[in-house]
Amino acid sequence: GDSVTQMEGPVTLSEEAFLTINCTYTATGYPSLFWYVQYPGEGLQLLLKATKADDKGSNKGFEATYRKETTSFHLEKGSVQVSDSAVYFCASGGSYIPTFGRGTSLIVHP
Amino acid sequence: DVKVTQSSRYLVKRTGEKVFLECVQDMDHENMFWYRQDPGLGLRLIYFSYDVKMKEKGDIPEGYSVSREKKERFSLILESASTNQTSMYLCASSLLNPLQETQYFGPGTRLLVL
Repeated sequence: GDSVTQMEGPVTLSEEAFLTINCTYTATGYPSLFWYVQYPGEGLQLLLKATKADDKGSNKGFEATYRKETTSFHLEKGSVQVSDSAVYFCASGGSYIPTFGRGTSLIVHP
Repeated sequence: DVKVTQSSRYLVKRTGEKVFLECVQDMDHENMFWYRQDPGLGLRLIYFSYDVKMKEKGDIPEGYSVSREKKERFSLILESASTNQTSMYLCASSLLNPLQETQYFGPGTRLLVL
């Protein structure tokens, strides 16, 4: 079956550092790919998505590129802020039931 | 904006009690989902529904049931709560169209079973 693998956290960074959270997937066909973010005490919300190979999703300074050749969708941000501290989930679509990764906790220190 | 609301943010129940968690969405979405979230395990799908009165088991349905009598409302029922059901419960909804499959989540209900 489909699966999504994310790097384990927590990822701890200082403010203004560069962020990468790795995500790889296995799926039949070419699913849409998503990053969701969960801020403390809240539900998940969509951060960005890409629907086909080589698409780049972007939002709030975060970016991720759909790489078919490496089956990856790594999340990046050039300069993180304390307010980015949250749990980040990678997910693949393709049917109406997405497959989620286990989440990666990001902690940003001032 | 899509809004998904859950009936409670926090609940404390006793072992053996019947527990109802309710979820309402206001965007006419066909699909609705119940997940539980536990540290280190990510999100696990309990049940989902793609239409009124329709339900499908997810990965961990044991000990749970669901009800969808109206399109906008999806209820999760713990018939006899147990301590291992202490968790964060998240409801989500989405359109049926697979090209519009973004999920919209409620704020979650943190359930403690004593």
